Order: sequence, then structure tokens, then C-alpha cells
Amino acid sequence: AQRVTQPEKLLSVFKGAPVELKCNYSYSGSPELFWYVQYSRQRLQLLLRHISRESIKGFTADLNKGETSFHLKKPFAQEEDSAMYYCALSGFDTDKLIFGTGTRLQVFP
Amino acid sequence: GAGVSQSPRYKVTKRGQDVALRCDPISGHVSLYWYRQALGQGPEFLTYFNYEAQQDKSGLPNDRFSAERPEGSISTLTIQRTEQRDSAMYRCASSSLRGRLEQYFGPGTRLTVT
Repeated sequence: AQRVTQPEKLLSVFKGAPVELKCNYSYSGSPELFWYVQYSRQRLQLLLRHISRESIKGFTADLNKGETSFHLKKPFAQEEDSAMYYCALSGFDTDKLIFGTGTRLQVFP
Repeated sequence: GAGVSQSPRYKVTKRGQDVALRCDPISGHVSLYWYRQALGQGPEFLTYFNYEAQQDKSGLPNDRFSAERPEGSISTLTIQRTEQRDSAMYRCASSSLRGRLEQYFGPGTRLTVT
């Protein structure tokens, strides 16, 4: 079965602390993984995708096929990072996205 | 340029009524997706189109739900005989060709069935 698991509903940190939002997936094949973000009162938008191997707003995510994980990391959190983060996957045979339940990141000053 | 737009933004309807939700994708985008998001959950896939062809409707929960995109641009998601469990945020997204590259989401339509 295709599934994305985000075990944490809420993650609270202070500004400047490291952040790791966890994402594990289940997929029979080679998935493509994404992180989408929704800031307050804004629409859902793509943050990064594993095939790009890029850092966006200081965030990085590495696909670990052995552990079937795609955790999102940032070494120093900023208050403006406070948002809802969704991990999602797509497969070779479909363009639909399968989302996790999301993790709310709160960064306190 | 203009992003994905959805209308209405909010819809309150009584149980048993039909509702039609509209999505206007980014101009030139080939693919259009519908998702439903219940409170506290992530978006859940409903259906998607490439041009006017419905490619996958496996996520539609039952036959009360249908979608169309007759001219390959604007799409309508219709829910017949609404039930309270249909209350959710309905999100539309579009992409240029392959959704795995990037899907651009609209603001969503909040449907409340009373």
C-alpha cells in the first residue's frame, strides 16, 4: 500500500534551534518525494522535492531508501518557518500526490 | 501571472442538496487535480485530468461525486445529495505536464453540509 507517515502533529522549537520533521513512506517502487508547506492564510505550496537536491529557505531533505524516510531538516529555525508541513509522494505510474497528515511547526522567539 | 482560482471560497449547504465547485487552473496547465482535506488530515486525492480526459478517478469516494473538464481548462467537481460527512476543504491544483514536478494549489473551497 502507498502511504506517507508523519508521526508528529506538532513540533515546537525556539528560534535558532535545529529542526527535523520526520516523514516515512511505504511504496512498492521508486517514489518521488516532496515537502509542501502552508503558511498561515496562504495556499499550499511546494517547498522542495528530492529529485532537485536543493536547499530552499535553509531546508534540506534527503531520501533514504533503506529507511524509507525523507526527513526535512533545518539547522537554525526562524520564526517565519512556523507553518504546516506536509510530506507527499508520487509514483512512476501516476502523477497524483499522496500526502501525510502534516506536522505543525511552531518556532518561538 | 494569476494562480489557480477556486469558487466559491466558502459554501454552506443543507444535507441532500447538490453542490458544484469550480476550479480555474493556471493558463496553459495541462493537468488538473482535485483533493479533499478533512480537519486534521492531509489532502486526499480524488481525481485528475490531463487536458479534458479524466485519467484517474479512483479517489472519488462514491458515485455521488463526479468531475468534469470539458474543454481542458476549467473543471467542476459536483457532489450530489450532499451528506454531513462531505464537509471538508476541497483543493484544486494544476501542473504544466507532469504533476510530480510541481503542483500549484488554489485557495480551496470550504464546504459545510448542515
